[in-house]
Amino acid sequence: QVQLQESGPGLVKPPETLSLTCTVSGASISSMNYWSWIRQPPGKGLEWITSIYYNGDTHYNPSLKSRITISVDASKNQFFLKLNSVTAADTAMYYCARGITVLTLDSWGQGTLVTVSS
Amino acid sequence: QSVLTQPPSVSAAAGQKVTISCSGSSSNIGNSYLCWYQQLPGTAPKLLIYDNNIRPSGIPDRFSGSKSGTSATLGITGLQTGDEADYYCGAWDTSLSAVVFGGGTKVTVL
Repeated sequence: QVQLQESGPGLVKPPETLSLTCTVSGASISSMNYWSWIRQPPGKGLEWITSIYYNGDTHYNPSLKSRITISVDASKNQFFLKLNSVTAADTAMYYCARGITVLTLDSWGQGTLVTVSS
Repeated sequence: QSVLTQPPSVSAAAGQKVTISCSGSSSNIGNSYLCWYQQLPGTAPKLLIYDNNIRPSGIPDRFSGSKSGTSATLGITGLQTGDEADYYCGAWDTSLSAVVFGGGTKVTVL
């Protein structure tokens, strides 16, 4: 059974870069799946951030595209999110997830809360 | 303001049925498969329905999905207290080239 675990700093200062890691176990990150990041501001709804396919194809939320990078380290079975120039509006629970398609996210991590504050 | 529109809340007595609507446009629901996610309090979202009406393994048949044109509906029959959660619809938007979600609907069991 696939498991995903997010890790990274819980507090980031503006306008620094938010960096998160998702460690995958129980499945190969090189398998034919999408690997995604989704966030949820406190008390609000879900916002898709970005996805990367096993072959390296990437998809980005156009509202965040200029600030985000998604990458993979297959040797460590991990994938990563970098979000630069953060502001308080980037404060959210950040989830990583595996997708059968870019939309069909069948396994999720438990989430990690990132607060942006000076 | 979410691209997909859901009612903020719905409620019904235990054992009854609720339906949650999800409204969009020709660039998303009208041209994409739809997913539904369940988020129990304090937990990560869980895939409930994909490809409009398919339940992943382990999801009871009390949950059902349908789609017509630019709208979709999630139905929950035999409502249980354990179904109290937030429910989100999601689709691919061809104009935005992005996954879009509804704002979420809170289900309350009376």
